[in-house]
Amino acid sequence: AQRVTQPEKLLSVFKGAPVELKCNYSYSGSPELFWYVQYSRQRLQLLLRHISRESIKGFTADLNKGETSFHLKKPFAQEEDSAMYYCALNDPGNTPLVFGKGTRLSVIA
Amino acid sequence: KAGVTQTPRYLIKTRGQQVTLSCSPISGHRSVSWYQQTPGQGLQFLFEYFSETQRNKGNFPGRFSGRQFSNSRSEMNVSTLELGDSALYLCASSSSGTTDTQYFGPGTRLTVL
Repeated sequence: AQRVTQPEKLLSVFKGAPVELKCNYSYSGSPELFWYVQYSRQRLQLLLRHISRESIKGFTADLNKGETSFHLKKPFAQEEDSAMYYCALNDPGNTPLVFGKGTRLSVIA
Repeated sequence: KAGVTQTPRYLIKTRGQQVTLSCSPISGHRSVSWYQQTPGQGLQFLFEYFSETQRNKGNFPGRFSGRQFSNSRSEMNVSTLELGDSALYLCASSSSGTTDTQYFGPGTRLTVL
């Protein structure tokens, strides 16, 4: 069965420090991977997807099939990055999204 | 474009009752997915509807059901409510399915007493 693991419930970093939010998955094929973010009092929204290979708000994520990971990184954290981050996976082909349990990022000024 | 709307935003019910939640997708979107969010289990997929047909179903008991109308609006129903059904129920719409960007609604907070 597909599974997404986010090992940290809470991650606190200082403003300007690098950030890495970990995501590991179990899936035997070639999954589609996503990061969704929920800022305080806002809706859950897509941050980025691996197929796009783009940087959004300074965040990047690289799919490592060997380590079955899709970690989210940003070189310099900003206070506005404080939010709940969810990693998600699905089979290509409109199968259900499987979410990790989320990591709360707190950026301290 | 208006975002995904969900009604009602809050509900309080007692055990054994049933409840119906509504979701209006973004105009032009044909896929609507429902998720249950709880502190312990996180976000769990309930079902997805596309063009009035259930295309995917999560691992939930038959008390959870849904439907989609010709205008893509969707409802989910939970019968014989249990205390464990207390959760935030989120719906998300997309143009064609779960591999597209999911646009989430604000959720309906259901409390079962």
